[in-house]
Amino acid sequence: DVKVTQSSRYLVKRTGEKVFLECVQDMDHENMFWYRQDPGLGLRLIYFSYDVKMKEKGDIPEGYSVSREKKERFSLILESASTNQTSMYLCATKRRDPPYEQYFGPGTRLTVT
Amino acid sequence: DQQVKQNSPSLSVQEGRISILNCDYTNSMFDYFLWYKKYPAEGPTFLISISSIKDKNEDGRFTVFLNKSAKHLSLHIVPSQPGDSAVYFCAASANTGNQFYFGTGTSLTVIP
Repeated sequence: DVKVTQSSRYLVKRTGEKVFLECVQDMDHENMFWYRQDPGLGLRLIYFSYDVKMKEKGDIPEGYSVSREKKERFSLILESASTNQTSMYLCATKRRDPPYEQYFGPGTRLTVT
Repeated sequence: DQQVKQNSPSLSVQEGRISILNCDYTNSMFDYFLWYKKYPAEGPTFLISISSIKDKNEDGRFTVFLNKSAKHLSLHIVPSQPGDSAVYFCAASANTGNQFYFGTGTSLTVIP
């Protein structure tokens, strides 16, 4: 059974802190994604990675960076957390070949105070 | 600019009746469409997909219809069940690529 895990379900951080969100998958999928979900805005892509050490910006990369040192792990980094980064963060994976659906983790609810 | 739109934030349907969720898109390059279901405190789960070479795809109680000329797709759930109550997202991609564009979601409530 496909599994995507995220390091925390809930996280509270202070403005200016550096925040690490970790995502681990056990499906050997090449592609991994980070989204944020906000009311009225749906899911918006922050970054994705199609291979180890490879990354591409999504629609809203500002204020974020990512790291993919191993195939199974994709980290999202908030260099200096701000209150407008309070959101639900979702990690997802996808095979390079068909079928094209994404598998999502349970999400991390991040609150920046 | 939102390339995928779900104009109904919420929908209520009686158990046993049909639920119809709608999705519109603006980018004519989109050629692969998916629907996901999301329960509270969980990540979205894949429900059904359709390629632009088809106009209909069916999986059990779920059917997705694609109208390319109108840039519109819809998800039909028949019969609706209380367990279908969730937020439904449509998503689209071009050339089955890596970037998927999601709609804002429709919250479906199925009333027993």
